[in-house]
Amino acid sequence: ILNVEQSPQSLHVQEGDSTNFTCSFPSSNFYALHWYRWETAKSPEALFVMTLNGDEKKKGRISATLNTKEGYSYLYIKGSQPEDSATYLCAFIFRGSQGNLIFGKGTKLSVKP
Amino acid sequence: SQTIHQWPATLVQPVGSPLSLECTVEGTSNPNLYWYRQAAGRGLQLLFYSVGIGQISSEVPQNLSASRPQDRQFILSSKKLLLSDSGFYLCAWLRGEWDTQYFGPGTRLTVL
Repeated sequence: ILNVEQSPQSLHVQEGDSTNFTCSFPSSNFYALHWYRWETAKSPEALFVMTLNGDEKKKGRISATLNTKEGYSYLYIKGSQPEDSATYLCAFIFRGSQGNLIFGKGTKLSVKP
Repeated sequence: SQTIHQWPATLVQPVGSPLSLECTVEGTSNPNLYWYRQAAGRGLQLLFYSVGIGQISSEVPQNLSASRPQDRQFILSSKKLLLSDSGFYLCAWLRGEWDTQYFGPGTRLTVL
C-alpha cells in the first residue's frame, strides 16, 4: 500500500514567522510530487510539481525541495502572513499510474496576526 | 481558459436515497477526470478516474459508481447512500501526467 505522510498535522505560528513542513513518500517508482494549497471553502490550488531529485521550486515566499532517493519533500514559508492560513497537501504519483495522485492528510497552517 | 464546474455545492440526503453529482469541464478536450472524497478526519481519497468516454477505473470498492457519458462530463452516483458516504467530494481534471490536477469547487454531502 502506497502511503504519503505529512507532518506536522497542524501548525500555529505568528505573523512574520518562517515555517516548514514535511512530506514523506515511497522512494521507489517515483514519478512526481505535487504540492497543493487548500483554503477553507475553496478548491485545492496547485503550488508546485516536482519531478527531479534535488528540485527546488519557489513561488513568492513559498519554496519546496525534493529528495527522491530518501523519499521526502519540504515546503517552506518565509515570513508567514495570515493569508497563508490553509491546509497544505502533498501528493505522490508513482511510475505506471495514470497520473493518479496519492494524497497525504495535509498540514493545517494557522497564522495569527 | 479552462474551467471546471461541480454541482450541487451542498447536499443533505437520507440514508438509502440515491445520489447524482455532476462535474463538467470547459476549455479542454479529452482530459483525464477524477473523483475524490475527503471524509471527516481523513485525507483526499481517489474514488474513480477516467481517461476517456465510457472508461472508468475504480480505486475503492464501495456502493458508489461513476460514468462519463461525454468527453467533458463526469458523474458520480449511488443507488443507496450510506452514512459513511458523507464527506466533501471533489472533481478534478488533468492535462498531462506531468501537469497539475485542477479541482472543482466541491460538493459537501451529508447523509443523515
